[in-house]
Amino acid sequence: NAGVTQTPKFQVLKTGQSMTLQCAQDMNHNSMYWYRQDPGMGLRLIYYSASEGTTDKGEVPNGYNVSRLNKREFSLRLESAAPSQTSVYFCASGEDRTPYEQYFGPGTRLTVT
Amino acid sequence: DAKTTQPNSMESNEEEPVHLPCNHSTISGTDYIHWYRQLPSQGPEYVIHGLTSNVNNRMASLAIAEDRKSSTLILHRATLRDAAVYYCIAFYNQGGKLIFGQGTELSVKP
Repeated sequence: NAGVTQTPKFQVLKTGQSMTLQCAQDMNHNSMYWYRQDPGMGLRLIYYSASEGTTDKGEVPNGYNVSRLNKREFSLRLESAAPSQTSVYFCASGEDRTPYEQYFGPGTRLTVT
Repeated sequence: DAKTTQPNSMESNEEEPVHLPCNHSTISGTDYIHWYRQLPSQGPEYVIHGLTSNVNNRMASLAIAEDRKSSTLILHRATLRDAAVYYCIAFYNQGGKLIFGQGTELSVKP
């Protein structure tokens, strides 16, 4: 039981390059989330998916797209990376009910130069 | 969701109890109080939640004020592994969308 896994762990991009961050969960959760965390800050929600086939914007969606490929997988795509997207990205999964116990992956540390 | 206020940082000695406060004066009657913590270089992890009554689990206790405008996360015997940022989040139902503030950075001295 791996929980939530993310790939890659580290990535360096040049401005304008694109990449996809992958996330998978093996807990059969309906909901999945992408957050970003800038240095010294709390996490901010980028996008979330309440169930397979649905996605919705969070607090900071600009510059990102997502795909809920199936119940297990939720990917985050940066089409044209910018230095402002340098951050640590966390994927999480859970259920939309109390308690809101979300399980987080280990994070992807992304640097855009 | 209710705005929460936490101290930026706190210090504790190992094996002593730690009381982490959180103010949520605008909390509504249906808002649950959740606590998460984030260990260094890791994603956050759920710690505990409550509505009105005090709650205990294997990780911590949650004491909720009678008027629900504040709560306290209690670690009964702090260990070095408890050094983390602790987040207090108060909300009822927003599709599971957690809104993290700055949290309290807890350091534990041996």
